[in-house]
Amino acid sequence: DTAVSQTPKYLVTQMGNDKSIKCEQNLGHDTMYWYKQDSKKFLKIMFSYNNKELIINETVPNRFSPKSPDKAHLNLHINSLELGDSAVYFCASSQRVGQGTYEQYFGPGTRLTVT
Amino acid sequence: RKEVEQDPGPFNVPEGATVAFNCTYSNSASQSFFWYRQDCRKEPKLLMSVYSSGNEDGRFTAQLNRASQYISLLIRDSKLSDSATYLCVVNQAGTALIFGKGTTLSVSS
Repeated sequence: DTAVSQTPKYLVTQMGNDKSIKCEQNLGHDTMYWYKQDSKKFLKIMFSYNNKELIINETVPNRFSPKSPDKAHLNLHINSLELGDSAVYFCASSQRVGQGTYEQYFGPGTRLTVT
Repeated sequence: RKEVEQDPGPFNVPEGATVAFNCTYSNSASQSFFWYRQDCRKEPKLLMSVYSSGNEDGRFTAQLNRASQYISLLIRDSKLSDSATYLCVVNQAGTALIFGKGTTLSVSS
């Protein structure tokens, strides 16, 4: 009965490769997010989708492309991986309640290491 | 100025101690406020929402001062299991959560 799941949990790859991370939520939420947590543990938003529509797109290299086939899934594809992409990537989901008060639930994270 | 700033930590306290974390936010349009907890190598988990009137959940008490743009979390009777990083989080309507860098708490026996 996992609420927000991500695959893979660990990803080790070489510079220049292309990789994807998948995320699924079974909470019935309408909004999903990708966050990046770097080596200094700072958690920062990358993208957000609401009902399959991109609503937040922070300053992220265009090598990163999110895709939401339906509102329960949000995948992240990364082209031409660089050393600086090494981080933990968290997927999250939420359901809007009222005028913006909503709680987010996070997946277990994908630890990406680029060598 | 950073959007959400927290006490630098780490806080090292004995079991049973009371510990308080402070947080300030820069955007006066922020509408929702939370404390999240993150254990080592795990995902952040919601600890509690923070309401204007202040709220309590067992040993945890959260306070919000909108005029000062200040949020606090008080933990009473600390347990070993409270050892974690505590993240102060704010957001405005329609935007993603803005996280502070977190404050690390270590409770020892």
